[in-house]
Amino acid sequence: DTGVSQDPRHKITKRGQNVTFRCDPISEHNRLYWYRQTLGQGPEFLTYFQNEAQLEKSRLLSDRFSAERPKGSFSTLEIQRTEQGDSAMYLCASSLVVASYGYTFGSGTRLTVV
Amino acid sequence: KQEVTQIPAALSVPEGENLVLNCSFTDSAIYNLQWFRQDPGKGLTSLLLIQSSQREQTSGRLNASLDKSSGRSTLYIAASQPGDSATYLCAFLQLAGGTSYGKLTFGQGTILTVHP
Repeated sequence: DTGVSQDPRHKITKRGQNVTFRCDPISEHNRLYWYRQTLGQGPEFLTYFQNEAQLEKSRLLSDRFSAERPKGSFSTLEIQRTEQGDSAMYLCASSLVVASYGYTFGSGTRLTVV
Repeated sequence: KQEVTQIPAALSVPEGENLVLNCSFTDSAIYNLQWFRQDPGKGLTSLLLIQSSQREQTSGRLNASLDKSSGRSTLYIAASQPGDSATYLCAFLQLAGGTSYGKLTFGQGTILTVHP
């Protein structure tokens, strides 16, 4: 297992287009998280899955954002009708149910909306 | 709401110096603390994890301490090297009441530059 994988690494899209990102967590991790990081800031929580259930969504996650984790394995994050303010690094992390082992992050997807 | 502050925002030191990065938080009800490293344009690499019952953790030239009573954590880097240049982020995990679930709250990071 090579850790948390995210695809693509970079995405440039025109305003108004839809984009989808993928995250493959560490296989034995039940929990999966999406965070967003803008330049010069720390990551901010977007949403969280335990297995296939989405258990919490941040107010940052507007109606244009949707996340899924079918079958409790990989997850996708879709942004519809992208806006320039969506430009950011989107980070995925996974963890065991026992939080004491900490989080493992992926390399992120850098989104640029032009 | 947990507020996390990292000081300094940026630090530039010559190679070989020992240095301390600071992280303060407002709510002492934390479950654990992680320090991460982030290289430009990259994801986060976990450096050290301290449970709330612990006072410090060490890995190689890195030592992290946690003082819940004062709301502070420090990351000590000994004998700094140019390869240590990166952004260092601290993050606190707080559990939702009665559950084993929590989400990380991050500081804004300290940008470290170690020059030869």
